[in-house]
Amino acid sequence: QSALTQPPSASGSPGQSVTISCTGTSSDVGGYNYVSWYQQHPGKAPKFMIYEVSKRPSGVPDRFSGSKSGNTASLTVSGLQAEDEADYYCSSYAGSNIVVFGGGTKLTVL
Amino acid sequence: QLHLQESGPGLVKPSETLSLTCTVSGGSISTSSHYWAWIRQPPGKGLEWIGSIYYGGSSYYNPSLKSRVTISGDTSENQFSLKLSSVTAADTAVYYCARRDDYGVVFDYWGQGTLVTVSS
Repeated sequence: QSALTQPPSASGSPGQSVTISCTGTSSDVGGYNYVSWYQQHPGKAPKFMIYEVSKRPSGVPDRFSGSKSGNTASLTVSGLQAEDEADYYCSSYAGSNIVVFGGGTKLTVL
Repeated sequence: QLHLQESGPGLVKPSETLSLTCTVSGGSISTSSHYWAWIRQPPGKGLEWIGSIYYGGSSYYNPSLKSRVTISGDTSENQFSLKLSSVTAADTAVYYCARRDDYGVVFDYWGQGTLVTVSS
C-alpha cells in the first residue's frame, strides 16, 4: 500500500476557505467510505476531525467539512481562523484491516 | 475518559529490537468494537500506520513492516505492546498508540507519543 497523496502545503487568509485534497486509488479512498482527517499541532498528537468521509465528531466546528469524489477525498476549512494553522492528514481503509495515511499538508493562515 | 500512555526505552541500538507498551485506562482493550493500534511519525515527516490488534487477539500489520513487527495484547494488565526487530536509523520516530473505532475506521483516541531514537 502506498501513502495517499496530499499537497505539501496550503494557505488562506482569516475568514477564507481552503480545501485540501487526498488522492488514493480504487483500493483505498475510492473503494470505501472510510476516509478520516486528522489535525496535528506542533508537538501534539493528532486529533480526528472528520470520519467516514464527511461526519464530524462532537466538538469539531462545522467550519470543517469533508467530501469524496472517486479516488480523491477533500477537507474544506471555511472561515479560516488562526488556530486552524496545523498539519492535516487524511487516512483511508484499504481492506484487510489495513489503514493508509496521506503524507500530510501544512496549512498556513496568512 | 479513555487515556493511552506509551512507555519504553527512548534509545535503541541498530539491529536490536524496539519494544514499547501502551497502557490503557478508562476503558478495556477487550471490547469487541475497537482495535488497538501503533502509528509512528519520523521527525518532520508524516504518519505511518504500523499495525493493529483486535480484542480476540488477531493482529494486522503494514505490509511494508510485516516481517519485523509483532503486536500483542495483555488483557490482565489492559496493555498492548509493539516489538519491531532489526531496527535502523530509519525507524527513529515518535511512536503513538491509538484506539481505532471499528465502525468508522477512525483513530479516535491517541497517546501523547514517545520518541524512540535508533543510534549506537
